Amino acid sequence: KAGVTQTPRYLIKTRGQQVTLSCSPISGHRSVSWYQQTPGQGLQFLFEYFSETQRNKGNFPGRFSGRQFSNSRSEMNVSTLELGDSALYLCASSLGHRIPAFSSYNSPLHFGNGTRLTVT
Amino acid sequence: DAKTTQPTSMDCAEGRAANLPCNHSTISGNEYVYWYRQIHSQGPQYIIHGLKNNETNEMASLIITEDRKSSTLILPHATLRDTAVYYCIVFDSNYQLIWGAGTKLIIKP
Repeated sequence: KAGVTQTPRYLIKTRGQQVTLSCSPISGHRSVSWYQQTPGQGLQFLFEYFSETQRNKGNFPGRFSGRQFSNSRSEMNVSTLELGDSALYLCASSLGHRIPAFSSYNSPLHFGNGTRLTVT
Repeated sequence: DAKTTQPTSMDCAEGRAANLPCNHSTISGNEYVYWYRQIHSQGPQYIIHGLKNNETNEMASLIITEDRKSSTLILPHATLRDTAVYYCIVFDSNYQLIWGAGTKLIIKP
């Protein structure tokens, strides 16, 4: 079974530009989460999508947005890039939604290898 | 704030069992404990998770104390490829996984 695929693997942008990152989840997984990882802040939750709807959102500015398509593939967009947006962006998929009301609450996340974004 | 506490780093000899502790004293009754590891430049890899009972899979064993305030991840026969940062994590009240700094495990030949 293919794992989570993230594209591109590396990206270099300049301040003020925007960027779109792509994530293809494991087949059959309906939940996709995005994380930002930096040396100083560690892994920080951006948002989660399930059935094309954003179900949960972390504490990031509105410049960070995402969406999920009917085939569960997801994209995240960062507009007006800042130097501090340089990070490893990780996508993770799982069977279900994270809220306990859904039966797959305990299904683990499976991560891709991320997109390394450098803003100059 | 991270809801788990782990040692910053640990060493283990190759071939020996690596025991990685984690404190999660504020965990609630229905929260699972998840363990992941991350090798440099790769995404975190799922290892194991558990609620109350001890768990074992092909990668590791998870021992959870009866009061559920701490757990130990056991890699039974550590190899050099097990060198990584190991994260013990739980969900916060907003249903978000809170990642701490993890334990940097170094396997020595």
